Amino acid sequence: DAGVTQSPTHLIKTRGQQVTLRCSPKSGHDTVSWYQQALGQGPQFIFQYYEEEERQRGNFPDRFSGHQFPNYSSELNVNALLLGDSALYLCASSLAFDRGEVTGELFFGEGSRLTVL
Amino acid sequence: GDSVTQMEGPVTLSEEAFLTINCTYTATGYPSLFWYVQYPGEGLQLLLKATKADDKGSNKGFEATYRKETTSFHLEKGSVQVSDSAVYFCALRNSGYALNFGKGTSLLVTP
Repeated sequence: DAGVTQSPTHLIKTRGQQVTLRCSPKSGHDTVSWYQQALGQGPQFIFQYYEEEERQRGNFPDRFSGHQFPNYSSELNVNALLLGDSALYLCASSLAFDRGEVTGELFFGEGSRLTVL
Repeated sequence: GDSVTQMEGPVTLSEEAFLTINCTYTATGYPSLFWYVQYPGEGLQLLLKATKADDKGSNKGFEATYRKETTSFHLEKGSVQVSDSAVYFCALRNSGYALNFGKGTSLLVTP
């Protein structure tokens, strides 16, 4: 049973460019969340997608956008990259409703490390 | 807003030592509390959780009790092993779907 897979694992961009990160959720999961983890910090919530719509968004600018596809996979897009966008981007999948809970346990991928020069 | 504060690392212990990693939180209402662990080269994974006051979460010999009076959720293990070396994150979820993480505490267990 494949877990959460993310691609690419590493990438380098320059300021002003755009980047797309991809995520395939764990088999059977219908919800995808994205987190940004700066060096030495805990993950920060960017947004969550369910039924192909953004269900909740964290405190990130509109340069950060996402998409969820009918097969539940997801993309994170970041436009007009800044140096401060350099971070590990984590994707997490879950079930929207799990055993009576509003949201189930999050399963994380290993992340995509973005370096902006 | 909601926040989580956990003790600074790195924490270095000898095998079989007792472990405590402190975690306190600030939140309105009644959040759910979590400990996640990140082993080298792996993704974050849920270690344990507690959803209401006085609940005790436990897994793999680790325990944490949800203390509302002290707004704490300290992680403990009676006897650590080398394989417990990892980064540990305390987190909360209040209203909504987002997890709010602490900065993480790195643990190194030496033989």
